[in-house]
Amino acid sequence: IAGITQAPTSQILAAGRRMTLRCTQDMRHNAMYWYRQDLGLGLRLIHYSNTAGTTGKGEVPDGYSVSRANTDDFPLTLASAVPSQTSVYFCASSDSADSGELFFGEGSRLTVL
Amino acid sequence: GQNIDQPTEMTATEGAIVQINCTYQTSGFNGLFWYQQHAGEAPTFLSYNVLDGLEEKGRFSSFLSRSKGYSYLLLKELQMKDSASYLCAALDSNYQLIWGAGTKLIIKP
Repeated sequence: IAGITQAPTSQILAAGRRMTLRCTQDMRHNAMYWYRQDLGLGLRLIHYSNTAGTTGKGEVPDGYSVSRANTDDFPLTLASAVPSQTSVYFCASSDSADSGELFFGEGSRLTVL
Repeated sequence: GQNIDQPTEMTATEGAIVQINCTYQTSGFNGLFWYQQHAGEAPTFLSYNVLDGLEEKGRFSSFLSRSKGYSYLLLKELQMKDSASYLCAALDSNYQLIWGAGTKLIIKP
């Protein structure tokens, strides 16, 4: 089934540890996004990629990094996790960077202790 | 600054009609989107408006007034499965989506 796959589904992590959230899509979409969702707040954009080989910073990029080596994969790395990074993380994609119709992965629930 | 406002929570009765309002202030405008998100799940796309007026899609309709910076999502013949959060988002001049915090819709029998 075509779509976006995220891994892991959930993870508990000690503060200071490095963590990579994986995201793979098989729809050949050009644009990909990482959002975090916290209770009472809207989805907040962390990083985005308009096409393979390019990335950009969103609203809340500090403490996170991304890469886009190919069309399908868009991993998100927390270099040294802190408790404020406890959140649900959603990866999303769209066929083009100017489209607001996003397809979301199932989310990764991350708890940093 | 850019901002999306929508009610935090609404309650409606099964079989009834409910209207969820959204106001937006963005730097430029390239469309208004509604997403549905069931608890513990990912958001899924519902509707898109870029011109003024009403877009109907089955039991769901979405309205846009660009001059007023206003949209609403209308859900008819409510079913229990419609219990979810409804997210309003506006696409700004840089084609970035600005998201509201979502409206949690509770359907009662």
